Amino acid sequence: AQSVAQPEDQVNVAEGNPLTVKCTYSVSGNPYLFWYVQYPNRGLQFLLKYITGDNLVKGSYGFEAEFNKSQTSFHLKKPSALVSDSALYFCAVRDNAGNMLTFGGGTRLMVKP
Amino acid sequence: GAGVSQSPSNKVTEKGKDVELRCDPISGHTALYWYRQSLGQGLEFLIYFQGNSAPDKSGLPSDRFSAERTGGSVSTLTIQRTQQEDSAVYLCASSLGGLVGETQYFGPGTRLLVL
Repeated sequence: AQSVAQPEDQVNVAEGNPLTVKCTYSVSGNPYLFWYVQYPNRGLQFLLKYITGDNLVKGSYGFEAEFNKSQTSFHLKKPSALVSDSALYFCAVRDNAGNMLTFGGGTRLMVKP
Repeated sequence: GAGVSQSPSNKVTEKGKDVELRCDPISGHTALYWYRQSLGQGLEFLIYFQGNSAPDKSGLPSDRFSAERTGGSVSTLTIQRTQQEDSAVYLCASSLGGLVGETQYFGPGTRLLVL
């Protein structure tokens, strides 16, 4: 069975500082990894994904994530946080065995001016 | 282009009533997914449709939940005899062909409150 862990319920960062939102996963085969963001009363918005190839994936709004196979991690990063980045972030994984995404519990990012 | 749309955006119902939630996927997407987002359970998969194949119902929590997809496009999720624990946001997503590496695009969700 596949699973995703987001160890931090909330991450606080000052505007302009770098941010990291952590994600670790467990799958039986090759992982397909995704990050989504959710703003209040909205659906999930796709940010980026890792399928294969380069371990550093770049996505929307200046976000990037690094796939680390040995640590089974896929942390989300941004060099300089904006107040508008404040939202709920979800990491998700899928493998060849199932039809669905399995999500982590979400991390609330708070960027303070 | 239009994204995934869902209706209604909010639904308040009384315990024991039936509800129907609708999802319009992105045009041309053959794969459609339903998920549920609740405070206690997080985001959980409910059901998956791919073309004319039999749906994957492995995530449905009870036999009170059912879904259909007509004409390979619009889908309806039906909850019979609603219970208070059914209160959640029901999210629909679609992807182009259901392949494992495809991006799933989500609708805004239907917020269901069972009184």
